[in-house]
Amino acid sequence: SQKIEQNSEALNIQEGKTATLTCNYTNYSPAYLQWYRQDPGRGPVFLLLIRENEKEKRKERLKVTFDTTLKQSLFHITASQPADSATYLCALDDNYGQNFVFGPGTRLSVLP
Amino acid sequence: NAGVTQTPKFQVLKTGQSMTLQCAQDMNHNSMYWYRQDPGMGLRLIYYSASEGTTDKGEVPNGYNVSRLNKREFSLRLESAAPSQTSVYFCASSGDRQGQGDTQYFGPGTRLTVL
Repeated sequence: SQKIEQNSEALNIQEGKTATLTCNYTNYSPAYLQWYRQDPGRGPVFLLLIRENEKEKRKERLKVTFDTTLKQSLFHITASQPADSATYLCALDDNYGQNFVFGPGTRLSVLP
Repeated sequence: NAGVTQTPKFQVLKTGQSMTLQCAQDMNHNSMYWYRQDPGMGLRLIYYSASEGTTDKGEVPNGYNVSRLNKREFSLRLESAAPSQTSVYFCASSGDRQGQGDTQYFGPGTRLTVL
């Protein structure tokens, strides 16, 4: 069956460290993968998109990698800050390219 | 620009009651979507509309109906609410079909409780 998993439900890290979040999928062949941030009581906000032919994408302190062989994407936040505390969702296109499928999310807490 | 707006923000219903969730976007997007979000299950697509005048079922359409009223507005109706429909509902829009790699813009959500 098709499945998207994110490494853990919650992740705590110390301010200034690099946070690494994982998104694994099975039985999908996505052309691209996206990462969203969601704050409590609000809708998700788009952060980054990476295509299947791209190994890595960066935006300020954010970095995303995409390994189609491992069927995995890694999302890194360097020099993390308490303001980075949120839930992060990965999303990929389904095999028909019609719609997104979202992972369950990882709740990141950056401790001062 | 307001982006994507949803009404109401909160709603409590009794089992069997009906209601309509409203969504509007001012970004001139073609595609609009309705999701529900439940703890530990992520966002699940209920219905989507790739363009004005078309609607299609998503992963969990049972118990819901939708109307794409015009390019701006996409409503979600619960005809006979059930406790299993207690959830947070998000509307989203995108400039093109998701298969084109377009990003989605989400509304603030409607928190629905069915007693």
